[in-house]
Amino acid sequence: QQQVKQSPQSLIVQKGGISIINCAYENTAFDYFPWYQQFPGKGPALLIAIRPDVSEKKEGRFTISFNKSAKQFSLHIMDSQPGDSATYFCAARRGGADGLTFGKGTHLIIQP
Amino acid sequence: GAGVSQSPSNKVTEKGKDVELRCDPISGHTALYWYRQSLGQGLEFLIYFQGNSAPDKSGLPSDRFSAERTGGSVSTLTIQRTQQEDSAVYLCASSPARGTETQYFGPGTRLLVL
Repeated sequence: QQQVKQSPQSLIVQKGGISIINCAYENTAFDYFPWYQQFPGKGPALLIAIRPDVSEKKEGRFTISFNKSAKQFSLHIMDSQPGDSATYFCAARRGGADGLTFGKGTHLIIQP
Repeated sequence: GAGVSQSPSNKVTEKGKDVELRCDPISGHTALYWYRQSLGQGLEFLIYFQGNSAPDKSGLPSDRFSAERTGGSVSTLTIQRTQQEDSAVYLCASSPARGTETQYFGPGTRLLVL
């Protein structure tokens, strides 16, 4: 049972464009939704995170949009740069539990 | 300061052998996590430690997998009688305390079972 579904699997965006990655979840007990960025040969690094009591969170060029009723959340990367080329994972965590449930990842390529 | 470190960085073993993977968390972090990253499967949670105890072992895929943590610091993940399907990147993460949300990941150990 895949509790967090992520799409698309891969994405190519032109430099300066907007990259959008979507995730959907089923378990309403999830109360914390982070996005991780992973470069080849490295471990994932936290990019931005949101709790379900807000609908949007912005940090620099990165924005999370959260739709609690639809059980969906998305990552928007504005003014995408070649250095943003990486694999992005959405994740979720149940209240009181500590292991993260990850989506399968999106391989993002920003073309110069 | 130093991040999470893992050793070895790469491990090649033969089917049926036992392997031990080591994780050194960030100094002072009391919570420690193990995940497995397989090609096309994303990251799977394996086990969580708070101090030396493991309140959540729900993700361990079989009884061939075990983990321990000593002194509230270093952790070892052991895989007995390795199988080819165990080939993956094993990632360790730590966080300052339970309830602290940010998990800091190490670079992982790439395990290949021949």
